[in-house]
Parts: sequence; C-alpha cells; structure tokens
Amino acid sequence: EDKVVQSPLSLVVHEGDTVTLNCSYEVTNFRSLLWYKQEKKAPTFLFMLTSSGIEKKSGRLSSILDKKELFSILNITATQTGDSAIYLCAVLSGGYQKVTFGTGTKLQVIP
Amino acid sequence: NAGVTQTPKFRVLKTGQSMTLLCAQDMNHEYMYWYRQDPGMGLRLIHYSVGEGTTAKGEVPDGYNVSRLKKQNFLLGLESAAPSQTSVYFCASLKSASGSYEQYFGPGTRLTVT
Repeated sequence: EDKVVQSPLSLVVHEGDTVTLNCSYEVTNFRSLLWYKQEKKAPTFLFMLTSSGIEKKSGRLSSILDKKELFSILNITATQTGDSAIYLCAVLSGGYQKVTFGTGTKLQVIP
Repeated sequence: NAGVTQTPKFRVLKTGQSMTLLCAQDMNHEYMYWYRQDPGMGLRLIHYSVGEGTTAKGEVPDGYNVSRLKKQNFLLGLESAAPSQTSVYFCASLKSASGSYEQYFGPGTRLTVT
C-alpha cells in the first residue's frame, strides 16, 4: 500500500522564522512528488519534484527531493502570517498516475 | 476557462439517502480524482480515472461508486449515505505533459449526513 508521511503534524512559529517541513514516502513506481498549500479552501499547487538534488524555488519557498532516501523537504524562510496554512505533500505513482496525499503539516505563523 | 467545477457546493443528506456529486473540467485532462478530507487529515483518495470509461479504486473506495462516461465529467455516487461519509469532497484533474505534472482542484463539496 502506498504511504506518504508528513512531519511535524503542526507547527507554531514567529514571523521571520525559517521552517522545514518533511515528507517521506513509500510507493510503487514513483513518478513525481507534489507540494500544495491549503488555506480555507482547495489546495493550490506549489512545486513538482521529479529528480533528486535539484532545488525548486519560488520566492521564500524552496523544496528538494531525495529519491534514494525517499523524502522531500519544503523550506520557508522569513515566514509571514500569510504563510499560515496546511502544507500537503503528495506522490504521483504507477502507470495510472495515482496521487496519494500525506496528512499535511499545519503551520501557524504568529506576529 | 472555468478549470475544475463541482456541484453541489453543500448538501445535507439523511442516512440511507443517495446522491451524486458532479465534477467537470474544461482542460481536456485525462486523469481525474475524487478525494475526501476530514478534520485534521489530509486528502484521502476515493477513486480515480485514467480516461473516459476507466476508473480505479483509491485508499477509501467503500460506499462510493464512480463513472466517467465523458472525458470532462467525473461523477461520484453515494448509494446509501452513512454519517461516516460526512466530509468535504474534492475533485481534481491532472495536467500531464512531457513528465511534468500539476493537479488542479475544484472548490469542494461539503456533505453532511445526519
């Protein structure tokens, strides 16, 4: 059975802090790892990672994948209150493009 | 270009009633998905579809059925609703091109079963 595990489950930080969110996976026929941000609505896409060691960046967010150790991290630097959200990791696998999500990390950034 | 739409947005059912949730996408994507999200949990895959007429079971398929008669539509059916099916349901479609993937989500349907 495919499994995606995120840690920590929740996190409270102060504005300006840097956070690292973790995602590990065990799936058959890995294709890609996806990160999403979810506020009070549907998830919105952040990154797609397919190759190990190549960092993806978007502003203060960055992510990297390690296919040997089967994990990914999402970094957020200089956090702002607008970063408060649930961050979801998902893995796309198999010939049928199955997408399996982790339970998410709830991030709260306080002023 | 509406993206992914879901109807209805809200629904209250009594135990034992049936209903169908409709998901539509206008991006010509082959792959579509139904998820449920419960408080404190991530998205759990119910069923998904790899194209018109082809569906597959996800992690939590029991109590649900799906159909993909047209490429743009993916229907989720509850034959006999149970309180355990109270949840927010999200539909998604997957853009897949040259090894690049991006999933687009609908706004969700909040279902309450009493």
